[in-house]
Amino acid sequence: DQQVKQNSPSLSVQEGRISILNCDYTNSMFDYFLWYKKYPAEGPTFLISISSIKDKNEDGRFTVFLNKSAKHLSLHIVPSQPGDSAVYFCAATVTGGKLIFGQGTELSVKP
Amino acid sequence: NAGVTQTPKFRVLKTGQSMTLLCAQDMNHEYMYWYRQDPGMGLRLIHYSVGEGTTAKGEVPDGYNVSRLKKQNFLLGLESAAPSQTSVYFCASSYPGQGGPGANVLTFGAGSRLTVL
Repeated sequence: DQQVKQNSPSLSVQEGRISILNCDYTNSMFDYFLWYKKYPAEGPTFLISISSIKDKNEDGRFTVFLNKSAKHLSLHIVPSQPGDSAVYFCAATVTGGKLIFGQGTELSVKP
Repeated sequence: NAGVTQTPKFRVLKTGQSMTLLCAQDMNHEYMYWYRQDPGMGLRLIHYSVGEGTTAKGEVPDGYNVSRLKKQNFLLGLESAAPSQTSVYFCASSYPGQGGPGANVLTFGAGSRLTVL
């Protein structure tokens, strides 16, 4: 039972354009949502997060939007850069210390 | 400051062999985790620990055991390896509320690639 789902395995975007990565969840009790970025042969690194009581959080080129009624969140990257090419994981926190991840979306930013 | 260190980085096992993956963190974090990453499956939680001497099951605990005898170390054991355990294993750590109340931002190691023949 996948509680956090990323239905797009891959996304290709032109440099300078907007990248939009999507994530859906099923558990309305999640407290926080996070996005991680992963390069090949490295561990995931934290990118940005949003509390379940907010609907938007912005950090430079990265913005995360949360739609609680639709149980959906998205990560916007503007403008996209070739160095943003990586696998992006959506994750949600569960009371008690667990962090549940989605399947990941591989972003490719073409020069 | 090394962060989270995993050993070994690579290992090849035969079916039925046993092994232990070691995770060490030097950030004095309370929480530690073991995940596995498989194509199309994302990161799945195997076991985790919210403090020294405590462990709990995650999403896919079968076939694995863990121990947290010291706060800085979290060991993942495979008693009898199976080909289905071929994967990349990631250890992570955090402290309660890291990144904000309820946020739980994890710091990951670089991963351990395990192949079971």
